[in-house]
Amino acid sequence: QVQLVESGGGVVQPGGSLRLSCAASGFTFSHYSMHWVRQAPGKGLEWVALISYDGNFKYFADSVKGRFTISRDNSKNTLFLQLDNLRPEDTALYLCARVTLTFDWLLPFDSWGQGTLVTVSS
Amino acid sequence: QMTQSPSSLSASVGDRVTITCQASQDITNSLSWYQHKPGKAPKLLLYDASILQTGVPSRFSGSGSGTDFTFTITSLQPEDIATYYCQQYDNLLFTFGPGTKVDIK
Repeated sequence: QVQLVESGGGVVQPGGSLRLSCAASGFTFSHYSMHWVRQAPGKGLEWVALISYDGNFKYFADSVKGRFTISRDNSKNTLFLQLDNLRPEDTALYLCARVTLTFDWLLPFDSWGQGTLVTVSS
Repeated sequence: QMTQSPSSLSASVGDRVTITCQASQDITNSLSWYQHKPGKAPKLLLYDASILQTGVPSRFSGSGSGTDFTFTITSLQPEDIATYYCQQYDNLLFTFGPGTKVDIK
């Protein structure tokens, strides 16, 4: 079955960096576009970033553009999110998600991980 | 931008529950609905505004197109306690609505 497991979260000071990972299994990872979504404490879901199935197309929410980088290693079935210049408002549970169909990205998300917590605090 | 109403509701088991979602621009039928329980991964319930995801009970349904959408639970069950989100995927912002928290009266 499809499984997505995030890791890499932690406590970091403002201005610091973290690298999140999402290990995928149970499907052909290289055929699916992937997303990162976050949920701040007590708040709703916020879309963060998209990467196409081949890694050639990437898109970011305005709130993280220029500070976050998304990448993937299809040989290791792993998705990454590099978080730089972190701010307190980036504190959230970060979840990875897979789209419903292969070789496209304007699609809903049918599989999600349970998230990794990032806390930005001095 | 996506708006949702109500932000929360309390209903009895067996009640019909309706949530509305409005887009700030025409998104045709590129709308999905998710159920999110605390500590769990969000679950896709409906996509393309009205198509039930495989394995989702038929008491969940959706309708609408353009800018106005509706999500319905025809007979609320205790296991439906969760927060429900709409999301558009018509453009690259993949915007979520603010969520509707549903609990049992």
